[in-house]
Amino acid sequence: DGGITQSPKYLFRKEGQNVTLSCEQNLNHDAMYWYRQDPGQGLRLIYYSQIVNDFQKGDIAEGYSVSREKKESFPLTVTSAQKNPTAFYLCASKSVWGATGEQYFGPGTRLTVT
Amino acid sequence: GDSVTQMEGPVTLSEEAFLTINCTYTATGYPSLFWYVQYPGEGLQLLLKATKADDKGSNKGFEATYRKETTSFHLEKGSVQVSDSAVYFCALTYANAGGTSYGKLTFGQGTILTVHP
Repeated sequence: DGGITQSPKYLFRKEGQNVTLSCEQNLNHDAMYWYRQDPGQGLRLIYYSQIVNDFQKGDIAEGYSVSREKKESFPLTVTSAQKNPTAFYLCASKSVWGATGEQYFGPGTRLTVT
Repeated sequence: GDSVTQMEGPVTLSEEAFLTINCTYTATGYPSLFWYVQYPGEGLQLLLKATKADDKGSNKGFEATYRKETTSFHLEKGSVQVSDSAVYFCALTYANAGGTSYGKLTFGQGTILTVHP
């Protein structure tokens, strides 16, 4: 079955540590996205990538970094510079040739930093 | 810039009641509109979509019509079930990935729906 996987589902880290969240897709989509979700708020875009070896900052990129070495993979690193990292992180992908622009989401990773 | 505004929640209904969740948007171009649903602890699932004015998206008994004149995309269902309890997000994007759109989804803040038996 085609889809997006994120691992792990729950992640706990101590303050000051970097942590990397995994996102893999087998939908053959070119574009991939990382969103952050906080309680009572909509999703906010962190980073996006439309092609391998290229990525761009979204609306709240400070304290985060990404890489896109393979079409299928778009890992997100939450660095110690992110002031409030505890949140639910969602990865998404879409075909750049799609007629309607919809994105497909993974199940999310809930990160707790104490 | 673009924005999406959803009605304040949470919304609490009894089973078989009629549901409306209001969504209005401001956009600089001609976006595609979506409703996504999020069940507890899960990612978002696409519920329905509409790509141009007067299009009606529908799925699982839910409907929404793209109203350009009122810049709205209200979600409706005639008879809700307990299993419809979730968070609903209205969103917009531009399907053409060219220019500066880059396919970003702009979300409303989400509306929590709780349906009681």
